[in-house]
Amino acid sequence: DTGVSQDPRHKITKRGQNVTFRCDPISEHNRLYWYRQTLGQGPEFLTYFQNEAQLEKSRLLSDRFSAERPKGSFSTLEIQRTEQGDSAMYLCASSLVSRMNTEAFFGQGTRLTVV
Amino acid sequence: DAKTTQPNSMESNEEEPVHLPCNHSTISGTDYIHWYRQLPSQGPEYVIHGLTSNVNNRMASLAIAEDRKSSTLILHRATLRDAAVYYCILRDVGTGNQFYFGTGTSLTVIP
Repeated sequence: DTGVSQDPRHKITKRGQNVTFRCDPISEHNRLYWYRQTLGQGPEFLTYFQNEAQLEKSRLLSDRFSAERPKGSFSTLEIQRTEQGDSAMYLCASSLVSRMNTEAFFGQGTRLTVV
Repeated sequence: DAKTTQPNSMESNEEEPVHLPCNHSTISGTDYIHWYRQLPSQGPEYVIHGLTSNVNNRMASLAIAEDRKSSTLILHRATLRDAAVYYCILRDVGTGNQFYFGTGTSLTVIP
């Protein structure tokens, strides 16, 4: 297993354009998380899925943001009408739910720059 | 979710032990204590976690205070590759849901 994979690693877009990021979690992991990180700050929670169900969304996730995990495997995060404030690193993580509190595995992230 | 407090930065000499403190005075009985670290330009990486007892793994040790209101991550012998931001996070054992990261401790290792 190669771990959590995110694509693309870098994205530069013009303000107002839509962008979509993809996350491929570790294959047997049923939980998938999206985070956003700006320079000098820790990652901020955006949303998470258990299998294909989106169970929680942060209020940071405005209506311009949408996330899907259609078959409980890979996930996409779309940002519509991007703004300069959306520039950040977008991180995906996955974990396996079990009785014990388990660790999450993070991808390398997608760095978005809105110009 | 309960909050954690960490120093913004710490320094250590290479090959010496490092003790990274974390205060979590509002921890609940069902919160696990997790530590992650983030190297430059990478996603966070799991280090260790525990509930009540001290824990050891190949990367580090976690010492948890008896009242669980504080914990210390111990790197036994710092290397240059340990230079990273270290995050102390509380995570509820019942839900195992999202992690709430603070700003962490930026560790500098001096050769």
